[in-house]
Amino acid sequence: GAVVSQHPSRVICKSGTSVKIECRSLDFQATTMFWYRQFPKQSLMLMATSNEGSKATYEQGVEKDKFLINHASLTLSTLTVTSAHPEDSSFYICSASRQGAGTEAFFGQGTRLTVV
Amino acid sequence: AQTVTQSQPEMSVQEAETVTLSCTYDTSESDYYLFWYKQPPSRQMILVIRQEAYKQQNATENRFSVNFQKAAKSFSLKISDSQLGDAAMYFCAYRRTRSNDMRFGAGTRLTVKP
Repeated sequence: GAVVSQHPSRVICKSGTSVKIECRSLDFQATTMFWYRQFPKQSLMLMATSNEGSKATYEQGVEKDKFLINHASLTLSTLTVTSAHPEDSSFYICSASRQGAGTEAFFGQGTRLTVV
Repeated sequence: AQTVTQSQPEMSVQEAETVTLSCTYDTSESDYYLFWYKQPPSRQMILVIRQEAYKQQNATENRFSVNFQKAAKSFSLKISDSQLGDAAMYFCAYRRTRSNDMRFGAGTRLTVKP
């Protein structure tokens, strides 16, 4: 199956700093990738849709200036958590799908962010 | 807006027995896709089974099968001959045909007892 690689798997940062998370589709091109946030023992909440070559689409309530998304190529999307605070601590997961309808989403391994 | 509801926060099954996880969804679309994903302690999301809404036949993947009731907007997952490795969080997910983004239910934590 297709592989989506997410890096880093775990990161600890100080409050006020920025953290970048990468999501790569290793064996297929993805014009669209998705970023989810998962709180402990909760479901995945869609944060934003990353579109290659254009601006990301953010879900209601998600601060676009806090969570910067860049999709500069067909295989890479990045999520930057700017001026991180402890409440940004969470598990972040990306996903990507092949072109065409009906295809499953392939998920990265996730990134556990801890802001201290 | 599409919503996905999983009313069972936790379920438990004896090894080798059968368990059914429930999922209902709300949509005004006629064409869409439904999925069950498994999330083990590693937190890697793994596709269990997929169902296209236009297909009347229920999807089956080895020990996993679904009961898809389109009119009732119900999509339950049956796990037969449960194994210890089946223990995980299970998420029901919905996706519109024209979109790639998924909406997930709250999840059901499945415990398998030896």
